Amino acid sequence: NAGVMQNPRHLVRRRGQEARLRCSPMKGHSHVYWYRQLPEEGLKFMVYLQKENIIDESGMPKERFSAEFPKEGPSILRIQQVVRGDSAAYFCASSPTGRGGGEAFFGQGTRLTVV
Amino acid sequence: SQQGEEDPQALSIQEGENATMNCSYKTSINNLQWYRQNSGRGLVHLILIRSNEREKHSGRLRVTLDTSKKSSSLLITASRAADTASYFCATDAIQGAQKLVFGQGTRLTINP
Repeated sequence: NAGVMQNPRHLVRRRGQEARLRCSPMKGHSHVYWYRQLPEEGLKFMVYLQKENIIDESGMPKERFSAEFPKEGPSILRIQQVVRGDSAAYFCASSPTGRGGGEAFFGQGTRLTVV
Repeated sequence: SQQGEEDPQALSIQEGENATMNCSYKTSINNLQWYRQNSGRGLVHLILIRSNEREKHSGRLRVTLDTSKKSSSLLITASRAADTASYFCATDAIQGAQKLVFGQGTRLTINP
């Protein structure tokens, strides 16, 4: 059973370009979470999705950021018109359940560098 | 505001010694989890302790939870150089969807 797969592992974008980050949850997991980690800081929650639904996007910036988790395929975090401040590590986690608590499994992350 | 807060922010000890890290949080929780992150890598889940548990062991790890004080501690016994990493606590609040709130982490360095 493969773990949470994120790709690419490293992504370099110029200011103004779009960044697309992909996350394939563990098999059987229908709950996906995206987190952002700035250097020397902890992870900050961005968005929680189930298949085809955004459940909680309270941590997402209001502009330029969007996320989806289609019926088929990986979850996508999209950042439009990237700026230097978007440079960070973006982690995806999946779990088999939503409410009630349980272990979340994390991917290796995508390190975005905006130049 | 950030829910979990770890202390110390950085800890440096000699190999073989025990390392203790603490975590405090603010709201009622379902569970609390500890993760390890090696430099530039992803998070590795270490242990989960539920709100109705007070202590849990896993190998050289011992986690305690005091819900009255809203605090937890992670003890690593007989530390090894390979334990050098950042350690984060993450809480799962009772209210709302299962999103983990992470602390700033403790950077642990084990000196050979």
